[in-house]
Amino acid sequence: GQQLNQSPQSMFIQEGEDVSMNCTSSSIFNTWLWYKQDPGEGPVLLIALYKAGELTSNGRLTAQFGITRKDSFLNISASIPSDVGIYFCAGQYAGNNRKLIWGLGTSLAVNP
Amino acid sequence: GAGVSQSPRYKVAKRGQDVALRCDPISGHVSLFWYQQALGQGPEFLTYFQNEAQLDKSGLPSDRFFAERPEGSVSTLKIQRTQQEDSAVYLCASSPTGARKTQYFGPGTRLLVL
Repeated sequence: GQQLNQSPQSMFIQEGEDVSMNCTSSSIFNTWLWYKQDPGEGPVLLIALYKAGELTSNGRLTAQFGITRKDSFLNISASIPSDVGIYFCAGQYAGNNRKLIWGLGTSLAVNP
Repeated sequence: GAGVSQSPRYKVAKRGQDVALRCDPISGHVSLFWYQQALGQGPEFLTYFQNEAQLDKSGLPSDRFFAERPEGSVSTLKIQRTQQEDSAVYLCASSPTGARKTQYFGPGTRLLVL
C-alpha cells in the first residue's frame, strides 16, 4: 500500500538536544498529523495541521504543514528520555476519503 | 473517559484457523477505522465505517478479510483461513463528527499466525 517518505529512519541523540524529522509525499494532503507510538501501544496524536503553512506547537513539539501541501516536519526541542519512541507522520486527503496514509516512522532513542 | 479498546490484545493462531478481532470505539464516535501494521512499518488502511455503513474497504488485502459494524458501535474484523503473512498488529481507531475529525487509536491486537 501507499506509504509516505519519512526521514530519518532512526535517531540516537543526547538528552537536551533538539530533534527534527520530516515527511514528504507525491500527493497533496488536506491534513497532516504527527503521532507517537510506544512499544505495545497504539499511536497517540501529537499535533494536527489543517492549513498549508500552518505552524503549531504542543509543548516542546512544533510541526509545520508545508506550503506545497506535500510535506510536513516535526521538531522536538530539549529532548528528554520519555521522548523515546517511534514517531509517525500521516496525511489525509480532502473530501470524504477519511483514511490516513502513513510514513514508515522515525525511531528516536535518547541517551540520558 | 474511556478510550478505544480492542480484544484480544494478543492472538496466536494456527495457519488456516479463523480469527475474530473486536474493537469498542469511544462512545458516540461515528467513524471507525481498521489498520494493519506489520513489524517495523507504519499502519496501512484496511477499511472504514460511518455508523454501520462500510464506506471504504479498499485496503482489505483479500476476500479472507471481512469487517462488520452491525449496530454502528462495536466492530469485528474477521480473518478466515489465516496465513503467516497475516501476522501483524491490527489497530482500530474511532473519530467523532465535525470538521476536524481526529482519529483516536486503540492499543491494537497482535496476531501471530504459526
